[in-house]
Amino acid sequence: EAGVTQFPSHSVIEKGQTVTLRCDPISGHDNLYWYRRVMGKEIKFLLHFVKESKQDESGMPNNRFLAERTGGTYSTLKVQPAELEDSGVYFCASSRGTGDTQYFGPGTRLTVL
Amino acid sequence: AQSVTQLDSQVPVFEEAPVELRCNYSSSVSVYLFWYVQYPNQGLQLLLKYLSGSTLVKGINGFEAEFNKSQTSFHLRKPSVHISDTAEYFCAVSNRAYKYIFGTGTRLKVLA
Repeated sequence: EAGVTQFPSHSVIEKGQTVTLRCDPISGHDNLYWYRRVMGKEIKFLLHFVKESKQDESGMPNNRFLAERTGGTYSTLKVQPAELEDSGVYFCASSRGTGDTQYFGPGTRLTVL
Repeated sequence: AQSVTQLDSQVPVFEEAPVELRCNYSSSVSVYLFWYVQYPNQGLQLLLKYLSGSTLVKGINGFEAEFNKSQTSFHLRKPSVHISDTAEYFCAVSNRAYKYIFGTGTRLKVLA
């Protein structure tokens, strides 16, 4: 069974540019989560999808972040326009049911210059 | 609100020595507890989890953790570490729902 995959693994952009991160969950997992770790700090929850519906986006930092999961399969997280403080590692996770163990992807390291 | 504290940001230990990585949490409700490991240049991998039942949980690569409800702790232990255990370890808590609360991580450095 393939694990959670994320693309790209690294992204370096300039302040003001747009970046889109992609996450492919484990097949059959209806629940998809985004988390972020800024340097040296804890990994923080951003949002949770069940299929294509956002269940909780309370962790999204501001309206420059937009997450989508059209069709209930893969998800994208767009940052527009990117700011310096958006730098960090963005993790995606998936689980079969809400409350089930979450399996994490390798993360996307975003650097905003 | 839930929180997780990993007091040790870095733990150096010699190869074949035992190690304990500490994790304390605060929560007013029953919780699930997890340890994840991130090896260099890799993603987060589930090491072990406590959902219910026996308070001593065994995970992969010889690691184990003990849930102590009275002390609100979930310390991770390994009796003999290897160089390959060098990684960052994250403790996480969930209130049996979907949102994981993570600690700040502990970098384990195994020395030859």
